[in-house]
Amino acid sequence: QVQLQESGPGLVKPSQTLSLTCTVSGGSISSGSYYWSWIRQPAGKGLEWIGRIYTSGSTNYNPSLKSRVTISVDTSKNQFSLKLSSVTAADTAVYYCARYDSSGYPYWGQGTLVTVSS
Amino acid sequence: SSELTQDPAVSVALGQTVRITCQGDSLRSYYASWYQQKPGQAPVLVIYGKNNRPSGIPDRFSGSSSGNTASLTITGAQAEDEADYYCNSRDSSGNPRVFGTGTKVTVL
Repeated sequence: QVQLQESGPGLVKPSQTLSLTCTVSGGSISSGSYYWSWIRQPAGKGLEWIGRIYTSGSTNYNPSLKSRVTISVDTSKNQFSLKLSSVTAADTAVYYCARYDSSGYPYWGQGTLVTVSS
Repeated sequence: SSELTQDPAVSVALGQTVRITCQGDSLRSYYASWYQQKPGQAPVLVIYGKNNRPSGIPDRFSGSSSGNTASLTITGAQAEDEADYYCNSRDSSGNPRVFGTGTKVTVL
C-alpha cells in the first residue's frame, strides 16, 4: 500500500521560501506512470492544485503560482519536494502531497499546515 | 474556462438519495473524479472515470456525466457520508489541476 508523508517547517516568515518534502513508502517513486503532485487548502476553503512532477522529472505548474514554484524529485530517497518562494500570508494553508494516476488522486498524504507569519 | 462550479451545500435525509453536480466546460472533454473530505482529513477518491469506484468505496456512490455537467450520486445516504465533496478534472492543456468549489453535504 502506497503511503505519502509530508514534512517541513510549520512556520515560514513572509518573503521567505516555503520548503516541503513528501516521502513515499510502499513503492518506488520512479516506477510506474505516476505524477507526484502538491495540492494546498487554506483554512475553510477549497483545494488548489500547485503542480506535479512526472517520474521522468518533467513538471507542470499552476499558472497562478508558476513564477514562484519549483517541484523536484530525489529518487535515491524516494522523495519529492516543493519550494514556494516569496511567500505571503495568502500562502498559509494545509499542504498535501498526492499521487496522480489514470484514476485521479487515489493516494494522499495526511497534510501539513504551513503558516506564513513574522 | 477551466473553472468547475458546485453548489455550496446540500442536505439529505438519512437513507435518501442526493445528487451533487459539477459544471464546467472541460467536462465536455474529460471525466471528473470525485473526492470526499471529512474535517481534518485528507480527501479520499470515491469516483473516477465514467463511473468507477476505488476498492473500499461503498456502491451507494455512483457517478455520471452529460454535456458540461458531472454528477455524484449517493443512494441511501448514511451519517458517515456527511462531508465536503470536490470534483476534479483537467484544464485545456490536459493538466488535472482544476478542482470544483466544493459541496458540503449534510445528512439529516
